[in-house]
Amino acid sequence: DAGITQSPRHKVTETGTPVTLRCHQTENHRYMYWYRQDPGHGLRLIHYSYGVKDTDKGEVSDGYSVSRSKTEDFLLTLESATSSQTSVYFCAISEGSNEKLFFGSGTQLSVL
Amino acid sequence: DAKTTQPTSMDCAEGRAANLPCNHSTISGNEYVYWYRQIHSQGPQYIIHGLKNNETNEMASLIITEDRKSSTLILPHATLRDTAVYYCIVRAYTGTASKLTFGTGTRLQVTL
Repeated sequence: DAGITQSPRHKVTETGTPVTLRCHQTENHRYMYWYRQDPGHGLRLIHYSYGVKDTDKGEVSDGYSVSRSKTEDFLLTLESATSSQTSVYFCAISEGSNEKLFFGSGTQLSVL
Repeated sequence: DAKTTQPTSMDCAEGRAANLPCNHSTISGNEYVYWYRQIHSQGPQYIIHGLKNNETNEMASLIITEDRKSSTLILPHATLRDTAVYYCIVRAYTGTASKLTFGTGTRLQVTL
């Protein structure tokens, strides 16, 4: 994967607890994205960032917040996790010169 | 973004060419065709993209019909490692965030 690290790779948590997923890039790309993938739905965009402290909502943003305090880090927070947020979460980056996305390896999140 | 239609699944014998079709009959003149693939449990991987001319790179060839209403991704000599879900996406280049929408794609099974 093109210089993208997601952590943790796997997490099990309980309903109602806060969870933060981290995406770290070494490519100095301007844009960063969080997607979730569920069976039968393909990948759906949660939030994205177009620069430090600049973020916007995607298709399925309810229940999620994000922060980007540094170019290389994009955090996804579930303030109070629910079972419907059990999913595989992928971080992606892009330069902006075209529509090519580079994805991380994913985080498997289970909310019990 | 124009809607795309892909077969749910396809099979291909190892060593043969895999031809994956995609229909995008409502494509606009400024929209590109992108192909990504996702090997089991990994993040999607960019393959190729094109506007109206046929394109080839080290991974695949992309053939776009003259009316641009459909395209075919060709893997010239499929191997078992090409078994994956292949996504066809149509989107105009915006010069901003690449908010690509991934559908459910075509599941390609390469067999011995």
